[in-house]
Amino acid sequence: DTGVSQDPRHKITKRGQNVTFRCDPISEHNRLYWYRQTLGQGPEFLTYFQNEAQLEKSRLLSDRFSAERPKGSFSTLEIQRTEQGDSAMYLCASSSTTSPGELFFGEGSRLTVL
Amino acid sequence: AQKITQTQPGMFVQEKEAVTLDCTYDTSDPSYGLFWYKQPSSGEMIFLIYQGSYDQQNATEGRYSLNFQKARKSANLVISASQLGDSAMYFCAGNNFNKFYFGSGTKLNVKP
Repeated sequence: DTGVSQDPRHKITKRGQNVTFRCDPISEHNRLYWYRQTLGQGPEFLTYFQNEAQLEKSRLLSDRFSAERPKGSFSTLEIQRTEQGDSAMYLCASSSTTSPGELFFGEGSRLTVL
Repeated sequence: AQKITQTQPGMFVQEKEAVTLDCTYDTSDPSYGLFWYKQPSSGEMIFLIYQGSYDQQNATEGRYSLNFQKARKSANLVISASQLGDSAMYFCAGNNFNKFYFGSGTKLNVKP
């Protein structure tokens, strides 16, 4: 399978706990995006990387959220001290500079904060 | 920033008929792209079609075509010969400077 993969697919946690999601993009893609999607809404941009550099972060991304892409390959999104409002689907997508307009999405990581 | 508006929360279409899903955008940037994605109940976002702001002709991909009207800032998706498997959420999106903005989506139901 050469698509975008995300892990875990589902995560249930208690409020106040930390969670981490991983995304493995398509191998030749140098751009990686994180989005958050709540029920009935479109994906909201959180942050994106070009190679290992984090080029932009949304104002939606509070200090409790941090994303890394240490070697320009896989990325992690960590949420510290989770709140019930963090419950959502976290989508990862990747694209290449040769075809920058097309995003390839993973299947998402669904977070439920109790 | 770019704003994407989809005013149809839900649409019904009879199998084998055509359907148009509306999308308007608002941007001051001269160079942008417009996209449509399909999200079935499984949750995965599937790329359907792309239109660049400088493209002279409307984009087509199989049964999908994009009715791009620059003056009206609209980029409507037309699905011809609807199939039951087309039932899904459809999102219009635009990009500026490598950031993608999505509309709130239209839920399409194809009736047999």
